[in-house]
Amino acid sequence: DQQVKQNSPSLSVQEGRISILNCDYTNSMFDYFLWYKKYPAEGPTFLISISSIKDKNEDGRFTVFLNKSAKHLSLHIVPSQPGDSAVYFCAASYLTGNQFYFGTGTSLTVIP
Amino acid sequence: NAGVMQNPRHLVRRRGQEARLRCSPMKGHSHVYWYRQLPEEGLKFMVYLQKENIIDESGMPKERFSAEFPKEGPSILRIQQVVRGDSAAYFCASSPIGQGRDEQYFGPGTRLTVT
Repeated sequence: DQQVKQNSPSLSVQEGRISILNCDYTNSMFDYFLWYKKYPAEGPTFLISISSIKDKNEDGRFTVFLNKSAKHLSLHIVPSQPGDSAVYFCAASYLTGNQFYFGTGTSLTVIP
Repeated sequence: NAGVMQNPRHLVRRRGQEARLRCSPMKGHSHVYWYRQLPEEGLKFMVYLQKENIIDESGMPKERFSAEFPKEGPSILRIQQVVRGDSAAYFCASSPIGQGRDEQYFGPGTRLTVT
């Protein structure tokens, strides 16, 4: 039962343009959401998070948007850089839970 | 401050052998999580441990898999009598507090191949 879904396995974007990665979830108890970035042969590294009391969180070139009614979140990267090429995982949790629930990942390629 | 360390990075085992995967959390972190990533899938939670205690093992297969986090030393994920379906990347993460809000820091993973 995949409670966090990333329906686009891959995405290609030109350098300097915006990258938009999408994530949907089914469990209404989730109240904390994160994005992780993963390079080959490395572990995931934390990128940005958002609590359900917010609908937007920004950190430099990265912005996460949360639409609770649609159970949808997205990660915007502006401007995209070749070093952003990686697999991006969306994850969700709830306060009393012990684990993160991960999506299957979206492989982003930024073309120079 | 060293990050989460996992060893070995690559492990090859024949069917029926035992696999032992080690994880040393970040300094000051007393909460450890193990995740498994099968090919073409996301990370799936296996177990959450604090020092000397298993807190949540709801993601662990019922047989052949066990985990521990002793008072001294690394956390160990043990897989007995490995089968080909156990081939995956196993990631360990650690956190300082252990709540659902707490950011988890991941190690580089151990890639297990069962031949």
